Amino acid sequence: QKEVEQNSGPLSVPEGAIASLNCTYSDRGSQSFFWYRQYSGKSPELIMSIYSNGDKEDGRFTAQLNKASQYVSLLIRDSQPSDSATYLCAVNKFEIQGAQKLVFGQGTRLTINP
Amino acid sequence: DADVTQTPRNRITKTGKRIMLECSQTKGHDRMYWYRQDPGLGLRLIYYSFDVKDINKGEISDGYSVSRQAQAKFSLSLESAIPNQTALYFCATSNSGTADQPQHFGDGTRLSIL
Repeated sequence: QKEVEQNSGPLSVPEGAIASLNCTYSDRGSQSFFWYRQYSGKSPELIMSIYSNGDKEDGRFTAQLNKASQYVSLLIRDSQPSDSATYLCAVNKFEIQGAQKLVFGQGTRLTINP
Repeated sequence: DADVTQTPRNRITKTGKRIMLECSQTKGHDRMYWYRQDPGLGLRLIYYSFDVKDINKGEISDGYSVSRQAQAKFSLSLESAIPNQTALYFCATSNSGTADQPQHFGDGTRLSIL
């Protein structure tokens, strides 16, 4: 089982609709979760972080976390063509001696159709 | 000016050559990371450093070495480059102190080994 799993897509959503991106993780001890957006050939850009169960909203973006189900999602409302990108889920993983590092999923490619 | 600067941005070289990729940051972060990204494989951690005297191997460190010359500088070397090291390389930084610090990425170095 991969440590962080995402559906690679492509996910195609009409403009103005809600895009829903999902991510599952294997380490029950994980406490911090991040969503990054990456345009083709560019670097990942942090768009959302979430640490507690429930929803966190920031503009058109909502992150949802369910630690019992080891599941984190990202909703994009009123999708725009500029939202077309690959979305990476990243999960904090604890290593020995208290060190921590992020583990990234493979990413979901999202296309918003005008 | 970028907070995390990678040089060079693009490099084409031949098999067997020694290559150094450099990363410098002005964010004042103590943690630095090197990743490579290949299509369909997502971001994979090569090496990471939590302070100047700390170097740790990631999941794919074979064939690579690093040097943390100062808090703001972290370089990645390929001692004898091979074609399957052709990839997009990213440097990232984060802050320590709490468990929920996201990573911030440089613009990447596109490396081609012929």
